[in-house]
Amino acid sequence: SQKIEQNSEALNIQEGKTATLTCNYTNYSPAYLQWYRQDPGRGPVFLLLIRENEKEKRKERLKVTFDTTLKQSLFHITASQPADSATYLCALAPEGGGNKLTFGTGTQLKVEL
Amino acid sequence: GAVVSQHPSRVICKSGTSVKIECRSLDFQATTMFWYRQFPKKSLMLMATSNEGSKATYEQGVEKDKFLINHASLTLSTLTVTSAHPEDSSFYICSAAPNGQYSNQPQHFGDGTRLSIL
Repeated sequence: SQKIEQNSEALNIQEGKTATLTCNYTNYSPAYLQWYRQDPGRGPVFLLLIRENEKEKRKERLKVTFDTTLKQSLFHITASQPADSATYLCALAPEGGGNKLTFGTGTQLKVEL
Repeated sequence: GAVVSQHPSRVICKSGTSVKIECRSLDFQATTMFWYRQFPKKSLMLMATSNEGSKATYEQGVEKDKFLINHASLTLSTLTVTSAHPEDSSFYICSAAPNGQYSNQPQHFGDGTRLSIL
């Protein structure tokens, strides 16, 4: 069956360091992959989208990579700040496109002073 | 940017009550909206796809008679939890996208509804 895995354990890092979050998937050939941020008690907020034929995407301090051979996406936050503390979710779109997303369980990031 | 508003943000009610949750796209039209359910420290689970002017498409295992969806206009979808019981307590979230009929569109989420059934 299709499976999307993110680190279930919280990631604690020091301010100014680069945070790297992992999203692995199995039995899936997604057309594209998205990353969202979710704060407690709020809905997710879209961050970045990367297509299957793209290796890397950047937006300000954020960088996403997509390796369809490894079936993995990495999400990096450089020069992390306490305000970056949140849960980060990866989401996959089905083969052939479409907007029905399947979400990973999310990784909680805590950036400490 | 695209804004999705969800109301109410929190509901506490007695077992057996039916609860209606609204999801509105404030500055765009949405032919498709999605309804999710999220348990604490768990992922968003897609419940159904709400289609304007037609029946919703439910995911496997979701009771359509329990979770009634109405998408009567291009800016409003409603989810009604009928005869709610404590096991229906959860965080319900909706999403939509401008030009949602096309692929590769980021979803815009409401802020969710925390439903607590006593």
